[in-house]
Amino acid sequence: NAGVMQNPRHLVRRRGQEARLRCSPMKGHSHVYWYRQLPEEGLKFMVYLQKENIIDESGMPKERFSAEFPKEGPSILRIQQVVRGDSAAYFCASSPNRATEAFFGQGTRLTVV
Amino acid sequence: RKEVEQDPGPFNVPEGATVAFNCTYSNSASQSFFWYRQDCRKEPKLLMSVYSSGNEDGRFTAQLNRASQYISLLIRDSKLSDSATYLCVVKGVIGGGSNYKLTFGKGTLLTVNP
Repeated sequence: NAGVMQNPRHLVRRRGQEARLRCSPMKGHSHVYWYRQLPEEGLKFMVYLQKENIIDESGMPKERFSAEFPKEGPSILRIQQVVRGDSAAYFCASSPNRATEAFFGQGTRLTVV
Repeated sequence: RKEVEQDPGPFNVPEGATVAFNCTYSNSASQSFFWYRQDCRKEPKLLMSVYSSGNEDGRFTAQLNRASQYISLLIRDSKLSDSATYLCVVKGVIGGGSNYKLTFGKGTLLTVNP
């Protein structure tokens, strides 16, 4: 059973471009969480999704950021018109149901130049 | 009060020492509790779940006090390989009570010295 897969592992974007981060949860997991970690800081919750539904997006910036988890395919975190402050590690985690622990992917390190 | 609050650290201890991490949470309806560890520039990894009765895994012991909304992690006979950031994680109900969200503490950095 493959773990949570995130790609790309490293992503470099110029200011103003779009960044698309992908997360394939573990097999059988229908709950996906996205977190952002700035250098030297803790993990900050962004969004919680189930298949085709956004359950909680209270941690998502109001503009430029969006997330989806379609019926088929990976969850996508999209950042439009990236700025230098978006540079961070973005981690995805998945869990099989509501109350159990979550397992993390290796993260995508976004660098905006 | 922060949702999940941990000792700020950092902790520097010699090999073989016993070290304790403390964590408090604000949502009394929280359902599940965990300790994760995160190595530098790596993803967080589950260390252990925390149960009301307390649980032990080798050198690691976790305790939960629901009345005080307090979680602890004890590491005995610490090893160099225990050096990492330890994250307290609480899974709490959101919305109408049918879904949960993981909330992380900021983490406490542990360095075990030879």
